[in-house]
Amino acid sequence: LAKTTQPISMDSYEGQEVNITCSHNNIATNDYITWYQQFPSQGPRFIIQGYKTKVTNEVASLFIPADRKSSTLSLPRVSLSDTAVYYCLVGRMNRDDKIIFGKGTRLHILP
Amino acid sequence: NAGVTQTPKFQVLKTGQSMTLQCAQDMNHEYMSWYRQDPGMGLRLIHYSVGAGITDQGEVPNGYNVSRSTTEDFPLRLLSAAPSQTSVYFCASRSGAETQYFGPGTRLLVL
Repeated sequence: LAKTTQPISMDSYEGQEVNITCSHNNIATNDYITWYQQFPSQGPRFIIQGYKTKVTNEVASLFIPADRKSSTLSLPRVSLSDTAVYYCLVGRMNRDDKIIFGKGTRLHILP
Repeated sequence: NAGVTQTPKFQVLKTGQSMTLQCAQDMNHEYMSWYRQDPGMGLRLIHYSVGAGITDQGEVPNGYNVSRSTTEDFPLRLLSAAPSQTSVYFCASRSGAETQYFGPGTRLLVL
């Protein structure tokens, strides 16, 4: 499993776009990049997954440069309810792969 | 579908007591796992299973046992509870390369 590095915490204001970058220098050819969101007192939930370039859904966008050694989760126009911990995971996500979470990024949205 | 369910929601144990945390999923997922999350920390993988009859250790397996007799159930047993096992325990399941679905968690306090 590729090791990931993310900022420990970030602050932003309501209405702003928030970008959280994850470094994964030893990502393997078959690895996917997956982001999870965890609200206080809840289990993590899937946000977005990608392999290369850009992926967008109704919640976020994921930008992956050509070398795939990093990725950026972009949250458009955040609100107070986006305050959560965001985890970046890298792996094949195959049947037998155990999924390891890092410490994540604690995002705090201010009014 | 109920998704991933966990019981109990909250438990208080005395040091040395044993107990079983229950986890069930109704999505016919092959892969199930247990994580623990200490206050302000990320998730750490305890044990996981890739199918009925198959289990393996995660990052922090000591003091815990698991078994997987059916696809639906994946109980976690604490053999002799210690204060260091005070934590929130999350069960998760997935199918193949799909994303993980997490249960609501069990809060355990060991006195």
